[in-house]
Amino acid sequence: GNSVTQMEGPVTLSEEAFLTINCTYTATGYPSLFWYVQYPGEGLQLLLKATKADDKGSNKGFEATYRKETTSFHLEKGSVQVSDSAVYFCALCEQNTDKLIFGTGTRLQVFP
Amino acid sequence: GAVVSQHPSRVICKSGTSVKIECRSLDFQATTMFWYRQFPKKSLMLMATSNEGSKATYEQGVEKDKFLINHASLTLSTLTVTSAHPEDSSFYICSARDPGTGLYQPQHFGDGTRLSIL
Repeated sequence: GNSVTQMEGPVTLSEEAFLTINCTYTATGYPSLFWYVQYPGEGLQLLLKATKADDKGSNKGFEATYRKETTSFHLEKGSVQVSDSAVYFCALCEQNTDKLIFGTGTRLQVFP
Repeated sequence: GAVVSQHPSRVICKSGTSVKIECRSLDFQATTMFWYRQFPKKSLMLMATSNEGSKATYEQGVEKDKFLINHASLTLSTLTVTSAHPEDSSFYICSARDPGTGLYQPQHFGDGTRLSIL
């Protein structure tokens, strides 16, 4: 079945450091890919998305490129802030069912 | 943008009580909504797909009689945890996609309901 694999956390960085959170997927067909962010005690917010190969999603300084050849959708940010501390979920949307399949989430902690 | 509202945000109740959680799409009509459960420091687990006007589709291992889902209108789905016990304590989140925005649009999530059963 379809699945999403994310790097284990927590990821601990100093402010202004470079961030990479790895995400790879297994899927049939052509899923859409998403990154969602969850702040403490809250629901999920869409961070960015990509719907086809080589698409780059970007938002708030975060970027991820849909790489079909490596089945990856790694999240990057050039300079993180303390306010970026949250849990980040990589997800794919199954083409035929509209179901979201989530990775396990990666906690990011940014210190001043 | 599209907004999904979930209510209540937090519930604390005694064992044996039934608890209803509401999920509303505020500015679009959702023929399909999804219910997830999130355990502490874990990912989201899809429980069921709620279909307007028909029965919900439950994922394997989810008890239909324990988690009753009703999707009576295009803007409201409810999840009722029947005769809740401490092991049902969790964070429940709903989501919906605005079909009017075209294909491949993301699902929008409610803020979640933290259920604590004493």
